[in-house]
Amino acid sequence: AQSVTQLGSHVSVSEGALVLLRCNYSSSVPPYLFWYVQYPNQGLQLLLKYTSAATLVKGINGFEAEFKKSETSFHLTKPSAHMSDAAEYFCAVSLPGRGGYQKVTFGTGTKLQVIP
Amino acid sequence: DTEVTQTPKHLVMGMTNKKSLKCEQHMGHRAMYWYKQKAKKPPELMFVYSYEKLSINESVPSRFSPECPNSSLLNLHLHALQPEDSALYLCASSQEGKRSYEQYFGPGTRLTVT
Repeated sequence: AQSVTQLGSHVSVSEGALVLLRCNYSSSVPPYLFWYVQYPNQGLQLLLKYTSAATLVKGINGFEAEFKKSETSFHLTKPSAHMSDAAEYFCAVSLPGRGGYQKVTFGTGTKLQVIP
Repeated sequence: DTEVTQTPKHLVMGMTNKKSLKCEQHMGHRAMYWYKQKAKKPPELMFVYSYEKLSINESVPSRFSPECPNSSLLNLHLHALQPEDSALYLCASSQEGKRSYEQYFGPGTRLTVT
């Protein structure tokens, strides 16, 4: 079975500090992994995705994530936090399906707080 | 246009009411999804439509009835809901085929059942 685990339901960083949000996955097949961000009262927006092309994936808003098979991890980082980064972040894995759709399992989410 | 639109933004309904949520996308995606999201929780999959046919129903109560009239539209009909059904309802769409394709989400409908 495929699943993702996000360590830390809340993370607080100072403005300008490094952001590190942790995600570990479990998958019996090569995983396809995603990071989504959700701002208050909004839908989810894709930050970046891993599809086996490159282990270091760059996304929007200065975020990047590195796929480490040996550690079964896909942690999200940003060198310098901005106030606008305060949001809920979800790691997700796409499951194999029989039809022309993607069945996605989301992690429990990490709320990022940025302190001025 | 990479936008998924949802109407209404907010909905308050009584337990005996009938209402509908609407979702629309014009990206040519043939897979569309309904999710339910409770506060401080991840989205939970409810239904998946692929090529306008219902592919997944995650054991959702019959008081929720999905409909896909065409490849751009997705509706969720609501009837005799319970207060615990109050949540953010999210619609999403994706290209069909590969599981590497991401989902595009709408802004959601905030539903309150009184």
